Amino acid sequence: EAQVTQNPRYLITVTGKKLTVTCSQNMNHEYMSWYRQDPGLGLRQIYYSMNVEVTDKGDVPEGYKVSRKEKRNFPLILESPSPNQTSLYFCASSSYRVGIDQPQHFGDGTRLSIL
Amino acid sequence: AQSVTQLGSHVSVSEGALVLLRCNYSSSVPPYLFWYVQYPNQGLQLLLKYTSAATLVKGINGFEAEFKKSETSFHLTKPSAHMSDAAEYFCVVSSPYTGTASKLTFGTGTRLQVTL
Repeated sequence: EAQVTQNPRYLITVTGKKLTVTCSQNMNHEYMSWYRQDPGLGLRQIYYSMNVEVTDKGDVPEGYKVSRKEKRNFPLILESPSPNQTSLYFCASSSYRVGIDQPQHFGDGTRLSIL
Repeated sequence: AQSVTQLGSHVSVSEGALVLLRCNYSSSVPPYLFWYVQYPNQGLQLLLKYTSAATLVKGINGFEAEFKKSETSFHLTKPSAHMSDAAEYFCVVSSPYTGTASKLTFGTGTRLQVTL
């Protein structure tokens, strides 16, 4: 089954304690992306990757890191989480040609609470 | 630069009534446009997409949208609402052949409520 898998689904942690949210896709997609969803703001792109070892900032990259060492994995790293990073996070993937003309496949989301 | 505006953060319709969710976009080039739906506690699913073929696009669950370049709009419609359509809907734009070709911009979402 084609899917994007995020872990964990829920996490409560404290300010400053490094955490990683994993994302894996089994569709051999080139393009992967992280979003955060906040009430009234829709989804905002944090980082994206167009292929292995190619990553770039989205609209709200501050406080986040990513890596793309393998095509299937795109972890999101919060080196020193702060309460303003409390949010619902989605990973997504798609194939990519000239621009994003294919649908994004979304994971089920990770709800992070930073105390 | 690209942007998306969804008019109305909440829309309420009666079951069986017409659904109309509004989306206006801004893009320096002919865009790709998408509508996604998010059911409670789930990720987003594609409803339909426009990528410069037919201007009237049909999607899943009876939804359709019309690309109107002159109005920079891509409104989502469904002739007859069903209770199962209650969800949040997002309009999304991508601008190919530009410096932002690899970016998606989401609207702020419209929550659709369907009443008996």
